Amino acid sequence: TQLLEQSPQFLSIQEGENLTVYCNSSSVFSSLQWYRQEPGEGPVLLVTVVTGGEVKKLKRLTFQFGDARKDSSLHITAAQPGDTGLYLCAGAIEGSQGNLIFGKGTKLSVKP
Amino acid sequence: GAVVSQHPSWVICKSGTSVKIECRSLDFQATTMFWYRQFPKQSLMLMATSNEGSKATYEQGVEKDKFLINHASLTLSTLTVTSAHPEDSSFYICSATRGASTYNEQFFGPGTRLTVL
Repeated sequence: TQLLEQSPQFLSIQEGENLTVYCNSSSVFSSLQWYRQEPGEGPVLLVTVVTGGEVKKLKRLTFQFGDARKDSSLHITAAQPGDTGLYLCAGAIEGSQGNLIFGKGTKLSVKP
Repeated sequence: GAVVSQHPSWVICKSGTSVKIECRSLDFQATTMFWYRQFPKQSLMLMATSNEGSKATYEQGVEKDKFLINHASLTLSTLTVTSAHPEDSSFYICSATRGASTYNEQFFGPGTRLTVL
């Protein structure tokens, strides 16, 4: 059973387009992180959200945590080739020991 | 801060040999370290969780006698793949959490590419 559903799995877009990646679950998370991973490297932490309804911005990236803390989204405005990579959401289920549950990832390709 | 290193970055070994991978937190003390395995085009699969000075907790299906984890200090954890076989070839990534973090943030190493011939 996949506790954290991430979609889409693959996304290929042209430079300048906008996109949104979703992570959904039936579980409540005490915190949720978004990571970006490039081929042959480890994931790099982009943001952590902890409050229901929270919105955080990182340049052209906007992260939102659902009001019920069961879902999150990542929106990229005016995507650039440098945004290409694997985006992973990961959450710590409330009341658990704190191990992160990872989504399956979204492989984003931005073509110039 | 929160830099995690791994060594080696890649290793090629013969079938039947053992390989040790080191994971170090360079600028913080890691209360907990995690070992993941990642197959091409797939997400991370948690293998085990380790805390300094105690035995690692392995995920279901991960052989503890094959993947030996030692967490000897607050800045170093090692993963030893014993009697490696070609099916053990994969990308192994470690991560660490800081004691001050209350949000379960994990900081990842750059990964180790293991190829078993």
